[in-house]
Amino acid sequence: NAGVTQTPKFQVLKTGQSMTLQCAQDMNHEYMSWYRQDPGMGLRLIHYSVGAGITDQGEVPNGYNVSRSTTEDFPLRLLSAAPSQTSVYFCASSYSRLSSYEQYFGPGTRLTVT
Amino acid sequence: KQEVTQIPAALSVPEGENLVLNCSFTDSAIYNLQWFRQDPGKGLTSLLLIQSSQREQTSGRLNASLDKSSGRSTLYIAASQPGDSATYLCAVAGEADAGNMLTFGGGTRLMVKP
Repeated sequence: NAGVTQTPKFQVLKTGQSMTLQCAQDMNHEYMSWYRQDPGMGLRLIHYSVGAGITDQGEVPNGYNVSRSTTEDFPLRLLSAAPSQTSVYFCASSYSRLSSYEQYFGPGTRLTVT
Repeated sequence: KQEVTQIPAALSVPEGENLVLNCSFTDSAIYNLQWFRQDPGKGLTSLLLIQSSQREQTSGRLNASLDKSSGRSTLYIAASQPGDSATYLCAVAGEADAGNMLTFGGGTRLMVKP
């Protein structure tokens, strides 16, 4: 198993550009989510999904869109990048087997918006 | 709103010392609590998960305890090694959020000196 994979590892965008951060998992997990990590703010939830076709907002959803057309993939779209979106983005997945909901994280995407 | 606090924010110890990292949370209605390790520039690695009905979990030199009623968890690291140097993050899932949302503490940055 590759676990949770994220691409790209690094990205530099100009203000106003759009891009999609990719996240995939091969563990057949129902739940997937996106977090951002900022110095002094910790990790905060952006969006999450409880299964294909179902998404919902987390704590800091503004400026981001998500969709979940398959169990494996959960892309995060930045519609018009802003400097405030400079951050490290982590995708996570979890499963309900044995009701544990243990969460597994990807390696992260480091995004800089200039 | 759940708040998670980790004390101390940073810790430096000589190799071989036993140490305790603390995590407190304000809302005791949790589903589980997870301890993660994060190396610089890397993703999060799950260390231990404690369900709300459990008191402790052990993995090798790590032992995590949970006192749900008082809103506290501790991570005990026995016989610390330089390879244990990393940031340790505590995260809780609320009863209504299991699988979807983790609320993270700010982390404890640990340095173990040879």
